[in-house]
Amino acid sequence: EDQVTQSPEALRLQEGESSSLNCSYTVSGLRGLFWYRQDPGKGPEFLFTLYSAGEEKEKERLKATLTKKESFLHITAPKPEDSATYLCAVREGGSYIPTFGRGTSLIVHP
Amino acid sequence: GAGVSQSPSNKVTEKGKDVELRCDPISGHTALYWYRQRLGQGLEFLIYFQGNSAPDKSGLPSDRFSAERTGESVSTLTIQRTQQEDSAVYLCASSLDGGSVYNEQFFGPGTRLTVL
Repeated sequence: EDQVTQSPEALRLQEGESSSLNCSYTVSGLRGLFWYRQDPGKGPEFLFTLYSAGEEKEKERLKATLTKKESFLHITAPKPEDSATYLCAVREGGSYIPTFGRGTSLIVHP
Repeated sequence: GAGVSQSPSNKVTEKGKDVELRCDPISGHTALYWYRQRLGQGLEFLIYFQGNSAPDKSGLPSDRFSAERTGESVSTLTIQRTQQEDSAVYLCASSLDGGSVYNEQFFGPGTRLTVL
């Protein structure tokens, strides 16, 4: 069973159509949940770290939230340049290695 | 440099040859990680360095894969007797301190390895 599951696998939006990406996790003793953005042919780019349930962080059109079982990445009024794969990773207590989900591929049409 | 750098950006080799991939982490970052990403797949952990020691090598897929790190600086991932299934993008990441709660990883651009 995967420790980190992202959904949907792929998402197509029209420009301006807000939506959310989900990252659910089953690790115990969460020591950090990380969101990254990956453009084709590039390495992942760090976006946010969340540490405890109820925490929220924002950056431009992106807002990340965290509960005890999942995190959401809300995208408000997306633009075509927001098109990318969004990766979620979770670090469990006692481990130095984050576990990555498979990602959500987002395409925003103009 | 400002970010993590990797070289070469692309490497094409013949089956059976050895390859070396290089990673320069962000200055001051003590933790360094290697990942493999096959086309359309997620990130596969290979090895973690804290300083120049490797407390976690559990992701190395076979004894053909090895890595070393000089101090808290450059790391080299070596793949011996390459096979076609080794074809992938190899990503390096560094973080301030692997043991710290503040250990966001910063990734390099990757090396695309193609084994013919």
